Amino acid sequence: QKEVEQNSGPLSVPEGAIASLNCTYSDRGSQSFFWYRQYSGKSPELIMFIYSNGDKEDGRFTAQLNKASQYVSLLIRDSQPSDSATYLCAVNRLRRNTGKLIFGQGTTLQVKP
Amino acid sequence: GAGVSQSPRYKVAKRGQDVALRCDPISGHVSLFWYQQALGQGPEFLTYFQNEAQLDKSGLPSDRFFAERPEGSVSTLKIQRTQQEDSAVYLCASSLGSRLAQSHQETQYFGPGTRLLVL
Repeated sequence: QKEVEQNSGPLSVPEGAIASLNCTYSDRGSQSFFWYRQYSGKSPELIMFIYSNGDKEDGRFTAQLNKASQYVSLLIRDSQPSDSATYLCAVNRLRRNTGKLIFGQGTTLQVKP
Repeated sequence: GAGVSQSPRYKVAKRGQDVALRCDPISGHVSLFWYQQALGQGPEFLTYFQNEAQLDKSGLPSDRFFAERPEGSVSTLKIQRTQQEDSAVYLCASSLGSRLAQSHQETQYFGPGTRLLVL
């Protein structure tokens, strides 16, 4: 079992719909959670981070964290074709002398006009 | 520049050749990370520096991989005797590394990556 799991997709949604991206993690010691967006051939770009249980909203994006279920999700409202990319979930465990991120394999999102 | 920069952007190497990949972090960032990203996969951690100290090298896949950051700024990832399985994108990331912030909360900013192809 991988430490961070994501459905590779592709997830296809029509323009204007809500896209729901999911991620599960295995280490209960995970403390912080990040969503990165990666366009093809480009480097990861941070969208949101979340540390506490519950929802965190930023514009069209909402991150949801449930530590009891070891589950984190990203909702994208009013999806646009420009949102088409791979979304990477990453977790950071509280460990001395490291701040390394553990990434999932990413979910490819396709927003169709 | 304002962001993390990496060079070269593309590198083609013959199997057995040594390569050196350079990373210039964001100015003032204490923490520096190297990741390897294979096609269709998420980045995988290689190594971590805090200033010039290499505090975590648990992700380096073999002793052919070596990283340094001698003055606490620019970092070089060196791969000796490259193999075809080393073909990947090598990403560098930096974070502030402020003593006021817990390391696990810090945002890492990624450079554009070096795409390495070993023939």
